[in-house]
Amino acid sequence: AQKITQTQPGMFVQEKEAVTLDCTYDTSDQSYGLFWYKQPSSGEMIFLIYQGSYDEQNATEGRYSLNFQKARKSANLVISASQLGDSAMYFCAMNPVHSQGAQKLVFGQGTRLTINP
Amino acid sequence: GAGVSQSPSNKVTEKGKDVELRCDPISGHTALYWYRQSLGQGLEFLIYFQGNSAPDKSGLPSDRFSAERTGGSVSTLTIQRTQQEDSAVYLCASSLVGQGNQPQHFGDGTRLSIL
Repeated sequence: AQKITQTQPGMFVQEKEAVTLDCTYDTSDQSYGLFWYKQPSSGEMIFLIYQGSYDEQNATEGRYSLNFQKARKSANLVISASQLGDSAMYFCAMNPVHSQGAQKLVFGQGTRLTINP
Repeated sequence: GAGVSQSPSNKVTEKGKDVELRCDPISGHTALYWYRQSLGQGLEFLIYFQGNSAPDKSGLPSDRFSAERTGGSVSTLTIQRTQQEDSAVYLCASSLVGQGNQPQHFGDGTRLSIL
């Protein structure tokens, strides 16, 4: 069974600072994908970034980067130069990459990020 | 449409009634997923469709829950004899294909309230 743990229920950061949101995972799969989603107060789930377990380089998407440490089973999200619009819930999720079987995403409990002006 | 569309956005109904929730995925996406988000349980997987078939329906909480997908497109999630514990936001997502390296794109959800 897969499990995602996000240990920070809430974080408060000053605007323009960088922030790291923690995510650790547990899986017996050899091949898997790790995802981060943002959920603003309006409710929609917005895909941010993806990291494959066999990717050698950390994924980056604009101000978002994923600090992937496979041996530690961690996939932390780093947001550089935070903005007021970054205030939201952030979810880490994973699923197996193999083509057969379940494709469900397993989510962590989320971290509520608040950016202060 | 450009994104995943869900309807209704809000649904309030009495305990014991049946409800139908609709999801229209991104055009061309063959994989479709239903999730439930509630305060106590977080985000839970319900069912996954590849085309019109459902290889994984392991997350459906009881036999009161069913889902179908027709024409490889629109999906309907039906809850019969609703209970108060069914109150939650029901999220639909789609992906290009049903592979683990494909991001799932979510709709805005249906907020279901059972009185």
